[in-house]
Amino acid sequence: GEKVEQHESTLSVREGDSAVINCTYTDTASSYFPWYKQEAGKSLHFVIDIRSNVDRKQSQRLTVLLDKKAKRFSLHITATQPEDSAIYFCAARSGGNYKPTFGKGTSLVVHP
Amino acid sequence: EAAVTQSPRNKVAVTGGKVTLSCNQTNNHNNMYWYRQDTGHGLRLIHYSYGAGSTEKGDIPDGYKASRPSQENFSLILELATPSQTSVYFCASGEQGSQNTLYFGAGTRLSVL
Repeated sequence: GEKVEQHESTLSVREGDSAVINCTYTDTASSYFPWYKQEAGKSLHFVIDIRSNVDRKQSQRLTVLLDKKAKRFSLHITATQPEDSAIYFCAARSGGNYKPTFGKGTSLVVHP
Repeated sequence: EAAVTQSPRNKVAVTGGKVTLSCNQTNNHNNMYWYRQDTGHGLRLIHYSYGAGSTEKGDIPDGYKASRPSQENFSLILELATPSQTSVYFCASGEQGSQNTLYFGAGTRLSVL
């Protein structure tokens, strides 16, 4: 089955800097790559996604890049703010399979 | 806004006891999921369902059963709870479709003593 590896377990940046979280996947059939955010003591909520028919998607300060050849995708957060501090999970899902596989999460800390 | 409600929010159980975690969604989503979250393991899928009456094994189903009696409700059952099942459990719902964004409940913190 699909395996998703999230390369950074923790990431520390200064407010205003950029942060990048990288993930790789194994199943070439994966076609949908969502990202979820979990603030301290709370549940997860969706932040952004990308489908395999594009290689870049931006939403305000968030950008997701997808490299299908390398089976790699990444979340870029620009102009970080303290409220960006959270655990970020990447996930991958193949087309006919509604069973997303999650990475282990990256704890992002934005220092004032 | 999608709504997924889990109960109980916290549970302390004894080893060997039976535990039932409940999940209700008001989104009319076909798909529902049970995940557990543990430090160092992230989110792992236990069971999922594509609709009322269906349950499927996820990646770590051993020691767990699931029940989907209706579109809205999806339960996770630990028949004989063990300390290794101490964890935070999340239920989620999602549409069938190319996007399949998941909506998560608030989580249930289970301690098995």
